[in-house]
Amino acid sequence: DQQVKQNSPSLSVQEGRISILNCDYTNSMFDYFLWYKKYPAEGPTFLISISSIKDKNEDGRFTVFLNKSAKHLSLHIVPSQPGDSAVYFCAAAGRTGGFKTIFGAGTRLFVKA
Amino acid sequence: KAGVTQTPRYLIKTRGQQVTLSCSPISGHRSVSWYQQTPGQGLQFLFEYFSETQRNKGNFPGRFSGRQFSNSRSEMNVSTLELGDSALYLCASSPRTGGGGELFFGEGSRLTVL
Repeated sequence: DQQVKQNSPSLSVQEGRISILNCDYTNSMFDYFLWYKKYPAEGPTFLISISSIKDKNEDGRFTVFLNKSAKHLSLHIVPSQPGDSAVYFCAAAGRTGGFKTIFGAGTRLFVKA
Repeated sequence: KAGVTQTPRYLIKTRGQQVTLSCSPISGHRSVSWYQQTPGQGLQFLFEYFSETQRNKGNFPGRFSGRQFSNSRSEMNVSTLELGDSALYLCASSPRTGGGGELFFGEGSRLTVL
């Protein structure tokens, strides 16, 4: 029962262009969404989050968009940099998950110089 | 402030053995969650402890167990190891329970079962 889905295992983008990572969830009761970034041999680190009462949150080069009717969120990275190459995990939390944070399978982003 | 510390970082076991992994959360954090990461499966939630009480449990068999001590340090144990238990086990701490807040992860313990 995958409540949070990242259907693209990998994404390749040219440096300077936009990276768009997508995430779908199945239960409308999630009320908080987060993105984490993970480099090899390191633990995931928090990147950006959004509450279900908002549809956009921006932090520098990173913007998260939430479309509740479609149960879809996306992470935009503009401009992409080679240092952004990592695995990105989408996560959701809230009462529906018994308050635990549920993660997607991750998308590996490659930013080519 | 020191981050989340997990020990050991790497270990190799054989089928049927048991293993204990340790996690020291960030000072002041009372919630500790454990996740299993395998290729293609992302981070699968194992359990969460808060103030020495298990608050949440994922869909793992009873061979997976955990506990939390009064100083918030946590251990997880896997008994009767199977080949499929080979994975990266990640611990994350948070100042509060209830999800929705940022989780601070350790570097993980990589378990290989032969």
